Amino acid sequence: GESVGLHLPTLSVQEGDNSIINCAYSNSASDYFIWYKQESGKGPQFIIDIRSNMDKRQGQRVTVLLNKTVKHLSLQIAATQPGDSAVYFCAENNNNDMRFGAGTRLTVKP
Amino acid sequence: DAMVIQNPRYQVTQFGKPVTLSCSQTLNHNVMYWYQQKSSQAPKLLFHYYDKDFNNEADTPDNFQSRRPNTSFCFLDIRSPGLGDAAMYLCATSPGGPLSTDTQYFGPGTRLTVL
Repeated sequence: GESVGLHLPTLSVQEGDNSIINCAYSNSASDYFIWYKQESGKGPQFIIDIRSNMDKRQGQRVTVLLNKTVKHLSLQIAATQPGDSAVYFCAENNNNDMRFGAGTRLTVKP
Repeated sequence: DAMVIQNPRYQVTQFGKPVTLSCSQTLNHNVMYWYQQKSSQAPKLLFHYYDKDFNNEADTPDNFQSRRPNTSFCFLDIRSPGLGDAAMYLCATSPGGPLSTDTQYFGPGTRLTVL
């Protein structure tokens, strides 16, 4: 069936390095994608979103890339900090129906 | 500040004893959602309200019910909690609209323990 998923369950990076978290989706009709950050014991926090008419969107230290050809979404975090340690979820939203990917746990080593 | 509030943050109940979790929002959003999240898993949508219209996910057990008495409040009722219902329950809201693709804003969650 249609699904949103992540390639890697864990990612460990050195403080100051750039992080790249990947997500694959299978519904070619999807037109809106969101990245959420979830820290332990807290609800998901919106990071950045992108619509299917774009292939790149930048925020503060974060960039989302969308490749519709291969149905791939990525989140890039520049100069990763210890406070970036969390689980990151991609999500796909169609008509008030949002589906999450499996999540990637990012650990930042000092 | 406008926000999504969940009470209580931690709830302990006994096997089979009904429990109600609460969510309120000051965002005046049309849509409210309930998700279940188990350890190391993604949130799983249980149901959502678009205004007063209730939308149940096909695989949500009958044991889970919801009420939305007004725009600001939404409740999750678990009629007979089992051990497998222990999880974090997340409430979220979105502005909503026909064929909407809005960002959802999440509350801090209620962690439910079933003894």
